[in-house]
Amino acid sequence: GENVEQHPSTLSVQEGDSAVIKCTYSDSASNYFPWYKQELGKGPQLIIDIRSNVGEKKDQRIAVTLNKTAKHFSLHITETQPEDSAVYFCAARIPGGSQGNLIFGKGTKLSVKP
Amino acid sequence: DAGVIQSPRHEVTEMGQEVTLRCKPISGHDYLFWYRQTMMRGLELLIYFNNNVPIDDSGMPEDRFSAKMPNASFSTLKIQPSEPRDSAVYFCASSLGEEQYFGPGTRLTVT
Repeated sequence: GENVEQHPSTLSVQEGDSAVIKCTYSDSASNYFPWYKQELGKGPQLIIDIRSNVGEKKDQRIAVTLNKTAKHFSLHITETQPEDSAVYFCAARIPGGSQGNLIFGKGTKLSVKP
Repeated sequence: DAGVIQSPRHEVTEMGQEVTLRCKPISGHDYLFWYRQTMMRGLELLIYFNNNVPIDDSGMPEDRFSAKMPNASFSTLKIQPSEPRDSAVYFCASSLGEEQYFGPGTRLTVT
């Protein structure tokens, strides 16, 4: 089945710097890749997603890139702020028409130091 | 919209007791998912429903776990009997398209 690897597990940056989190997936047919942000004591919140027919998507300070050949996708956060500190999860959707088959990475704990 | 609503937010129970977790999805969403989150295993999909019908329950760990969705606005996840290894945060999520929206979770502690 699908397997999603996420790196790094922890990331510490200075406020204003950029942060990059990378994920790889195993099933080349996967076609939907969301990113979630989870703050302490809260549920994961969808922040951006990308589909396999798109190579890059941007929303203000966050962007996601997808390399289908290499089967990896990345989250980029620019001009980081302390409120960006959270755990970030990537996920990949197994194709086949099933809405439920999101496989999640293990998460990256991002700390932004003021 | 109020988002996905879960109750209770915290549950502490003794081993062997029955536990029922509740979820109200976002109005109009036709998919509902139950996940479990632990440090060791991360986020795991337990079961999901489409239009109140269970579609895939292959993630349910064992027969002690059961889930129902009697109508479009309510679902329950029941553990009977509960065991200490069931301690985790349980999330409910709902979706209309591909985007899944998570509730705040129920932190379950079984002593």
